Amino acid sequence: DAGVTQSPTHLIKTRGQQVTLRCSPKSGHDTVSWYQQALGQGPQFIFQYYEEEERQRGNFPDRFSGHQFPNYSSELNVNALLLGDSALYLCASSFGRQGVIYQYFGPGTRLLVL
Amino acid sequence: AQSVAQPEDQVNVAEGNPLTVKCTYSVSGNPYLFWYVQYPNRGLQFLLKYITGDNLVKGSYGFEAEFNKSQTSFHLKKPSALVSDSALYFCAVRDPKAAGNKLTFGGGTRVLVKP
Repeated sequence: DAGVTQSPTHLIKTRGQQVTLRCSPKSGHDTVSWYQQALGQGPQFIFQYYEEEERQRGNFPDRFSGHQFPNYSSELNVNALLLGDSALYLCASSFGRQGVIYQYFGPGTRLLVL
Repeated sequence: AQSVAQPEDQVNVAEGNPLTVKCTYSVSGNPYLFWYVQYPNRGLQFLLKYITGDNLVKGSYGFEAEFNKSQTSFHLKKPSALVSDSALYFCAVRDPKAAGNKLTFGGGTRVLVKP
């Protein structure tokens, strides 16, 4: 049973470009969350998708957008990249309908903006 | 708004000695609390959670944590540390009243276990 997978593992972009990161949730999970982890800091919640809708959003600008597909996989898009967007982007999946759930995290995508 | 504080950036401990990593939280109502560990160039691995019930929670790899409501703390403990426990540890809180299951993390505590 594959866990949460993310692609690519590493990415280098320049300021002003756009980037798309991808996430496949753990088998049986239907909820995907995205987090940004800057160097030396804890992860910060970006948003969460459930049933192809954005269910919850953190304090990130509209340059950060996402999508969830019918197979529950998800994309994170960042437009007009800034140097400060350099970070490890973590995807987490969970089973979102009921009960207490903890999130399984993927290995992350490390984004460097030059 | 919910928040988590991990007051120590780094904890140093000798192998075989007890390990404690501190965490305090702020959330309205009764919190859901979590500990995750992160090894270099890896994602986060779940260690344990507190939802309700016994204040002492046992988790993976011999770790446990004690929920203290009056002190709003959820300290992580291990009776005898191993060199392989050296990693970055994150405490997180979730507001059970919120629609989603957003986690708010502390800034992390680096644990260094010396042989």
